[in-house]
Amino acid sequence: EIVMTQSPATLSVSPGERATLSCRASQSVGTYLAWFQQKPGQGPRLLIYGASTRATGIPARFSGSGSGTEFTLTISSLQSEDFAVYFCQQYDNWPPWTFGQGTKVEIK
Amino acid sequence: QVQLVESGGGVVQPGGSLRLSCAASGFTFNKYPMHWVRQAPGKGLEWVAVIWFDGSSKYYADSVKGRFTISRDNSKNMLYLQMDSLRAEDTAVYHCARNSLGYTHFFDSWGQGTLVTVSP
Repeated sequence: EIVMTQSPATLSVSPGERATLSCRASQSVGTYLAWFQQKPGQGPRLLIYGASTRATGIPARFSGSGSGTEFTLTISSLQSEDFAVYFCQQYDNWPPWTFGQGTKVEIK
Repeated sequence: QVQLVESGGGVVQPGGSLRLSCAASGFTFNKYPMHWVRQAPGKGLEWVAVIWFDGSSKYYADSVKGRFTISRDNSKNMLYLQMDSLRAEDTAVYHCARNSLGYTHFFDSWGQGTLVTVSP
């Protein structure tokens, strides 16, 4: 099973600032990596797949990069609606599909 | 637009059973593999099970294998999760999720979930 590790657990950022979230895989997943946003009481929302492809309707301020075992989600200028929990997920080697434990982006 | 609406959650005693449902709309249900994913209170996401678009293949997480059964009714656009021999550690919000089309398998749409609480 591939273990996904996200850092940091919590990120405190001011509105308008840049946020950089990290995700590491225990073995290479190529670019089979997705990022999700989750707000309280809601299901996750797909942001990025293929490590760097934005899903339909996702603003350009969200960008993903990386390959192999190291990945990054960048939010270029945080808006109020971006404060949420973010998860990464690998879909290279399944089952099982595995997720990181999440990074909470909170208002500084 | 794509809608996935879960139902059937509730409080059940250890050793009991529960059947979750997921009503799908806004897309051609019988073309997509479908998943169940759970989230324990305050915790991360754990994949539970997947069923192929035609029901021909099913896979389960080791933690639920032999206790949970995933199924679907393509005539009704419904996904199900039969949960037997429930344990306290099965307490979680259960989400259904749609698998992407094509040769890659990521989750492109999710429901908001239904809460299952296993408690004496």
